[in-house]
Amino acid sequence: GIQVEQSPPDLILQEGANSTLRCNFSDSVNNLQWFHQNPWGQLINLFYIPSGTKQNGRLSATTVATERYSLLYISSSQTTDSGVYFCAVETGNQFYFGTGTSLTVIP
Amino acid sequence: KAGVTQTPRYLIKTRGQQVTLSCSPISGHRSVSWYQQTPGQGLQFLFEYFSETQRNKGNFPGRFSGRQFSNSRSEMNVSTLELGDSALYLCASSLEGRVAFFGQGTRLTVV
Repeated sequence: GIQVEQSPPDLILQEGANSTLRCNFSDSVNNLQWFHQNPWGQLINLFYIPSGTKQNGRLSATTVATERYSLLYISSSQTTDSGVYFCAVETGNQFYFGTGTSLTVIP
Repeated sequence: KAGVTQTPRYLIKTRGQQVTLSCSPISGHRSVSWYQQTPGQGLQFLFEYFSETQRNKGNFPGRFSGRQFSNSRSEMNVSTLELGDSALYLCASSLEGRVAFFGQGTRLTVV
């Protein structure tokens, strides 16, 4: 199966700081999504981004499919941004998940 | 539009019992997939159904099974529960080849 690597595994930021999360994947994929897992376990969609760049408020994402990586940018971080961020790639009707980046934003 | 609904939210079972989890997809979505999340193994794919047919299955023992009904609702069943089956089980639905949406999950504890 496809290997998905996320970095860094853990990140601690001061409120207001910016951050970049990275996702590398080992093969061509049909779909790539970024999720934020809330404290109750639900995976909240952030971006559907098999290629290109998208922005949604303080968050933006870029996927370079030919180089098999994606980046998630968080600007002006807030304490509510804390949690685990997952990158997932889809091929063959299944998602392969990375191990996540655990983000802690301190006031 | 209602999201993906999973029931029950929490479940406690005893080793050796069996359990059935339910997932109702977003209206119009015909693809439903299931994932297991544990601290040690992360998020792992169980199986995917489309129009009542299992199209893909992950590397799990035969104790794990599922099905999809004509209204796209899906159930997964785990028989002869083991302690290691304790996990968060997540269901996702999507239109073919489009963005997937996940439910809130069922947290299963096996004692």
